[in-house]
Amino acid sequence: AQSVTQLDSQVPVFEEAPVELRCNYSSSVSVYLFWYVQYPNQGLQLLLKYLSGSTLVKGINGFEAEFNKSQTSFHLRKPSVHISDTAEYFCAVSEISGTYKYIFGTGTRLKVLA
Amino acid sequence: NAGVTQTPKFQVLKTGQSMTLQCAQDMNHEYMSWYRQDPGMGLRLIHYSVGAGITDQGEVPNGYNVSRSTTEDFPLRLLSAAPSQTSVYFCASSSDSSPYEQYFGPGTRLTVT
Repeated sequence: AQSVTQLDSQVPVFEEAPVELRCNYSSSVSVYLFWYVQYPNQGLQLLLKYLSGSTLVKGINGFEAEFNKSQTSFHLRKPSVHISDTAEYFCAVSEISGTYKYIFGTGTRLKVLA
Repeated sequence: NAGVTQTPKFQVLKTGQSMTLQCAQDMNHEYMSWYRQDPGMGLRLIHYSVGAGITDQGEVPNGYNVSRSTTEDFPLRLLSAAPSQTSVYFCASSSDSSPYEQYFGPGTRLTVT
């Protein structure tokens, strides 16, 4: 079984400051890793994914994440945030066995302050 | 393409009533899933389907039924609604060429009184 932990339920940050949203996972099998963003009253949108290859993954809107297998982490980063980045961010994992079932974290609400 | 559409957007039910949440996609995706989103709990998988005629249970399937008679549609049925089913429901789909890239619908907010 897998689990995903997003320790920070809320992260306030000033505009143009850097931000890191933390994600740790637990799994007895190899997994793929994802970050999704949810803007208010909308569905989720894929930000980036790690399936294989380089452990540094770049996504949309200037976000990137680094897969660290030894620490079982997949933290999301952005060097300079904008007001429009205010949203909820979800980390998720899926077994690579082909079941295509996701386990989501509880989400981190990013609030960018002017 | 409309992508993934869900109807209705909002629904209020009384305990014991039944209803069907509709989900449709026009991208010819093989894989479709239903999730519920509750405060502080993230998204939890209810049921999923890997193709027409094939469905399976997720983490929280109790109280919900699904069927997949066509590639496009994946309805979620609540047979006897309970207050614990008050939630926001999301449908998602993905293609067999990129099965891990899910596209989400806008959600249905359900309240059971």
